[in-house]
Amino acid sequence: TQLLEQSPQFLSIQEGENLTVYCNSSSVFSSLQWYRQEPGEGPVLLVTVVTGGEVKKLKRLTFQFGDARKDSSLHITAAQPGDTGLYLCADYKYNFNKFYFGSGTKLNVKP
Amino acid sequence: KAGVTQTPRYLIKTRGQQVTLSCSPISGHRSVSWYQQTPGQGLQFLFEYFSETQRNKGNFPGRFSGRQFSNSRSEMNVSTLELGDSALYLCASSDPIFGNEKLFFGSGTQLSVL
Repeated sequence: TQLLEQSPQFLSIQEGENLTVYCNSSSVFSSLQWYRQEPGEGPVLLVTVVTGGEVKKLKRLTFQFGDARKDSSLHITAAQPGDTGLYLCADYKYNFNKFYFGSGTKLNVKP
Repeated sequence: KAGVTQTPRYLIKTRGQQVTLSCSPISGHRSVSWYQQTPGQGLQFLFEYFSETQRNKGNFPGRFSGRQFSNSRSEMNVSTLELGDSALYLCASSDPIFGNEKLFFGSGTQLSVL
């Protein structure tokens, strides 16, 4: 069974600060996805990264995929209260037809 | 396209009762997955249905069951409810295309067992 570890578990910061959250896998990612879940809602897909070393940007969010495809980071620049939520990483394993999710990083951005 | 619809949004039951949750996937999506989310355990995979067949199953007792209908709508059932079944139950639909697997989640059903 693949293990996805996310760190930190909790993060509470002031509006305007930068932050980075991490996702590490016990095995090579097939296709790494980042989701954000706002309170009271289901997770929403932010990005999919596939290629080792890949960097994707989504406005103030920067996603990096490690060269060995066993780790990923999400960096948020100038965080806003609207960024508050649970950030989940997930990997889809084709041989199991199944998604594996990390336990998430709970982010709170205070105004 | 309309998103994934889950009903009901909130549910309160007592121990020993049973419950049925409903999920309508995005039109055209053939796969429906169910997850249980609790603060302590995170997102736990229950099962996945694809074209009316259960394709995958997580590590949950037999009290948890599901099915999918010909229109791709899915239901999950929990019998003999226990206090520990209190959780947010999320349904996700997808149209598995190799290299483009994505999950679209509903807002969930918040189940409280008293």
